Amino acid sequence: EDQVTQSPEALRLQEGESSSLNCSYTVSGLRGLFWYRQDPGKGPEFLFTLYSAGEEKEKERLKATLTKKESFLHITAPKPEDSATYLCAAVNTDKLIFGTGTRLQVFP
Amino acid sequence: GAGVSQSPSNKVTEKGKDVELRCDPISGHTALYWYRQSLGQGLEFLIYFQGNSAPDKSGLPSDRFSAERTGGSVSTLTIQRTQQEDSAVYLCASSSTSTNRGTGGYTFGSGTRLTVV
Repeated sequence: EDQVTQSPEALRLQEGESSSLNCSYTVSGLRGLFWYRQDPGKGPEFLFTLYSAGEEKEKERLKATLTKKESFLHITAPKPEDSATYLCAAVNTDKLIFGTGTRLQVFP
Repeated sequence: GAGVSQSPSNKVTEKGKDVELRCDPISGHTALYWYRQSLGQGLEFLIYFQGNSAPDKSGLPSDRFSAERTGGSVSTLTIQRTQQEDSAVYLCASSSTSTNRGTGGYTFGSGTRLTVV
C-alpha cells in the first residue's frame, strides 16, 4: 500500500536553531515528491517538487533533499515566521498522497 | 481567477441534511482534486477530475458523497444525509496538468470547514 510517513509530529525550535524534518515514503510509480507549508485556517502552500534521488532545492532558509526512500526538509536558522505545519506528499499515477505533517514552532 | 476559490468558507449543518461545497479552480487548470482534512490528520484524497471526467473516485468514503465538474471549471462536492464523522475541512486543488507527468505544483484553496451538529 502506498504510504507517506512524516517525523517528528511536532518540533519546537529556538530562533536560529537549525533542524531537519523527515518524510519517508513507499509509493509505487513515484512521479514526484512535494513539500507544502500550511498555516492555520489556510490551504497548503506549495514549496518544492523533487523528482529524482540526489535532487536538492532551496528557498530562503529551506532546503529539500530526496533519496530513494525519504526526503528531508532542512531549516537553517529558523525565524518565528517559519512556524507552520509542513506537509510532504508523494505523487503516483494520479494523485498526491500526503503524510500527516510536522507542526513546527519557532520561539524568539 | 488569481487562485482557487472555495465556498462557503464555513458551514454548520444538522445531522441528516445535505450540503454542497463549491470549488472554482484557477482558469485553465484542467486537473481538479478534492481532499478532506480531519483534525490532526493528514489530507485524505477523495476524487480527481481531468476536465469533466473523474478517472479516480477511489477516495470517496461512501455513496453519500458525490462530485461533479461542469465546463471543465467549477466543481461541486455533495454530501447527502450528513453524519458527525463528516465534520472536517474540505480542500480543493487545481493543477495545469495531470499528475501523470508529475510536473508542476498544485494550488490549494483555503477550504470549507464543515461542522455537522
